[in-house]
Amino acid sequence: DIQMTQSPSSLSASVGDRVTITCRAGQGIRNYLAWYQQKPGKVPKLLIYAASTLQSGVPSRFSGSGSGTDFTLTISSLQPEDVATYYCQKYNSDPPWTFGQGTKVEIK
Amino acid sequence: EVQLLESGGGLVQPGGSLRLSCTASGFTFSASAMSWVRQAPGKGLVWVSAINPRGDKTYYADSVKGRFTISRDNSKNTLFLQMYSLRVEDTAVYHCAKEGGIVGGTVGDLWGQGTLVTVSS
Repeated sequence: DIQMTQSPSSLSASVGDRVTITCRAGQGIRNYLAWYQQKPGKVPKLLIYAASTLQSGVPSRFSGSGSGTDFTLTISSLQPEDVATYYCQKYNSDPPWTFGQGTKVEIK
Repeated sequence: EVQLLESGGGLVQPGGSLRLSCTASGFTFSASAMSWVRQAPGKGLVWVSAINPRGDKTYYADSVKGRFTISRDNSKNTLFLQMYSLRVEDTAVYHCAKEGGIVGGTVGDLWGQGTLVTVSS
């Protein structure tokens, strides 16, 4: 199975900061990579798919990039409502879905 | 309203069984692949099982293969997860998720609130 490894596991940043989360796949997955946001007590919400395509309704401060094995999620200007845990997910092969371990984002 | 509503969770002893249900509304359930994803308390998301729209193809994580069975009743817009031989490590909130088809695979574009399964003696 392809493992998905996120870093860091947690981070603390100030409002307005640029935040970057990294996700590494154990082997190449082309661009079959999605990002989810899970706010405390809430269900996961799809942010980005195909590594860089923003889901409808997601603020433009979120962006994704990467291909193959290395991917990033960037929040260009961190807002208080962005406090959440972020998960990457590969979706290209058996098993159908594999998630990273998550990155918890907090406000400093 | 477009939503998924899980039920059937509860407290069960190790070795016991439980059947989870997920009732869908607001979208064409019979055209949607579906998945179960679990989240142990304070932990991350773990995919458990998936089923295609017609219900004739199923997929399982190695950790539940042979113990869990996914199924669906498209006439009732309902997804099921039958769980046998439950272990302490199966304790988690179980979410059902609608799979949205995109190039290369599917992603979870609608999630239920989840139902808590606690396996303990």
